[in-house]
Formats: sequence, C-alpha cells, structure tokens
Amino acid sequence: DQQVKQNSPSLSVQEGRISILNCDYTNSMFDYFLWYKKYPAEGPTFLISISSIKDKNEDGRFTVFLNKSAKHLSLHIVPSQPGDSAVYFCAASDMTTDSWGKLQFGAGTQVVVTP
Amino acid sequence: EPEVTQTPSHQVTQMGQEVILRCVPISNHLYFYWYRQILGQKVEFLVSFYNNEISEKSEIFDDQFSVERPDGSNFTLKIRSTKLEDSAMYFCASSADNGFYEQYFGPGTRLTVT
Repeated sequence: DQQVKQNSPSLSVQEGRISILNCDYTNSMFDYFLWYKKYPAEGPTFLISISSIKDKNEDGRFTVFLNKSAKHLSLHIVPSQPGDSAVYFCAASDMTTDSWGKLQFGAGTQVVVTP
Repeated sequence: EPEVTQTPSHQVTQMGQEVILRCVPISNHLYFYWYRQILGQKVEFLVSFYNNEISEKSEIFDDQFSVERPDGSNFTLKIRSTKLEDSAMYFCASSADNGFYEQYFGPGTRLTVT
C-alpha cells in the first residue's frame, strides 16, 4: 500500500537554512494532510495540517504547501534548528468517508540539522 | 500540556500468550486509535473507536485483536494469542470532536514476542 510516498529517506541541512520535505500521494480522495515529527523511542508529534480547500498553511517556522493537481505536498522549516533533527512523517486521510480517522503514513524522512 | 500516555513502555511475551496494551487518551478527546510500526516499516493504522464501538479497522485487525474502553479514561488493545509477527511498536492516539482532526500520539509500547 503506497498511497503516501516520501521518496527522500534522509535530508541534511545546515542550521539556519531552510529544510524542505516532500510528500506525494496517489489517492485523489485524500483531502486532509498532516505532518508529524518523531524522535527515537517517542511517539509521532503533530506539527501542522492542511485541508484540501487550502494550498498553504503556516504555523511559526513550519509551512505546509499543497498542490492538489500534482498530488504533492511539502513542509518547509525556516530556519532549521538542531532540535529539528528527527524523522518527519507525512500522513493523509479521506475526510468524506467513514474511514476519515484512518491516517495513511509515508515512510518518513530523517532530517539532520548540522551546525 | 495534555498528553496521551501508554503502559507498559516495553512488553515481552511468549508466542501464544495474551497481552493487553493500555492507553490513557487526552481527557476531552472522543476518538481513539491504535497504530503499529514494525521495525523498519511504515506506521500502520489498526483501528479507530468512537462512542464505545469500532468505527473502522484495517485488515491487520483480525479476530485476535480487540479494543475496549473499560472506564472513562482507559483505552486498551488486547491481542489474544500473540505471534512472532506481532512484534512492533504500538501507538495509541486520540483526537477531539471540535472540527480539528489532528491525532495526538502516545509514546508507544514496544511489544516483543519470543
């Protein structure tokens, strides 16, 4: 089941620079998207979400962009900080069905922020 | 800040034994979920629960699995007869009924079946 794909398993970025994480999806019925951050031995921590009626949502250093026609979303982190080093998961759901609570996750991208 | 808690953090059990994983969701949340992550694989949905019944379950959630909300605070996942392939991190999550649908996850229980 590859409905949500994160094709970059890892990303290295310098402190203070922008981190851009990408996510693609195949199910055109997905209309709600979330980004989670995960440290080792912890559960995923919710970062930011976006509904398909928007193409951008911003919260502090985190901005999510949604391109519905391309079935693509991205997470921008500006500026990147050492504490941002973690695995980032993209997740999606179809809010129009009874399965709306079923999040489909990507495989994750390991971000390393270097000094 | 309210958080989802899970116990135990690590459970080791023998194949064929029953295990119960426990979760305390965020207190004003009404929707509850279980996910699992096998080492090296994606986080996978198992089941969602609302109003004291299962809303949705995945193909993984077969007759060996059950969920229960035994009181006003706990939410449990029971595996009746564990298999080696049940070894994974199990995450509980909860969400509110306020127009925002983000799910908040607990720290997970690492289940090791030997």
